[in-house]
Amino acid sequence: EAGVVQSPRYKIIEKKQPVAFWCNPISGHNTLYWYRQNLGQGPELLIRYENEEAVDDSQLPKDRFSAERLKGVDSTLKIQPAELGDSAVYLCASSPWGPGELFFGEGSRLTVL
Amino acid sequence: KQEVTQIPAALSVPEGENLVLNCSFTDSAIYNLQWFRQDPGKGLTSLLLIQSSQREQTSGRLNASLDKSSGRSTLYIAASQPGDSATYLCAALMDSNYQLIWGAGTKLIIKP
Repeated sequence: EAGVVQSPRYKIIEKKQPVAFWCNPISGHNTLYWYRQNLGQGPELLIRYENEEAVDDSQLPKDRFSAERLKGVDSTLKIQPAELGDSAVYLCASSPWGPGELFFGEGSRLTVL
Repeated sequence: KQEVTQIPAALSVPEGENLVLNCSFTDSAIYNLQWFRQDPGKGLTSLLLIQSSQREQTSGRLNASLDKSSGRSTLYIAASQPGDSATYLCAALMDSNYQLIWGAGTKLIIKP
């Protein structure tokens, strides 16, 4: 069974440029998470979806970040414009349902110059 | 507000030793607690998930315990190997809103 797939694995951009990350969760998983992780820290939740509904986006900086999960399957996270402080690893995770076991993708490492 | 703490932040032990990683949480109203492993530059790999009604879970050389009343979970690694070197994170899922609260992790180094 395929795991959570993320792309791109690495992205280097200049500040003020836009960037997008894509995530395909495990088939049948209703819950999808986007996390941001800085070096030496635990993941920080950006947004959680139950099917296509964003049920927790309280930590998403909505002035520059947006996310969508069309048809309740794969998801895209966008940053526009990017700032230096956005450099981090962006992790996508999925679970069969809200309180189920989480499975993570490899992450997308963003460097903003 | 739930806080999850992992102490120590880093641990270095010789190969072959048994070791315990600690995870403490301030709010006992958790649904489950999950332990993860993260290798450098990689995503997180789920190791063990303990439901709030359970006391422990085992997978191979790993054993995780949960004591809700004391707000503690431990991850026991038997007969450690260099390949066990990684950062280990715990995360508690809150009963009330299914929010996952993360510890900062323990970086483990197993010396050959």
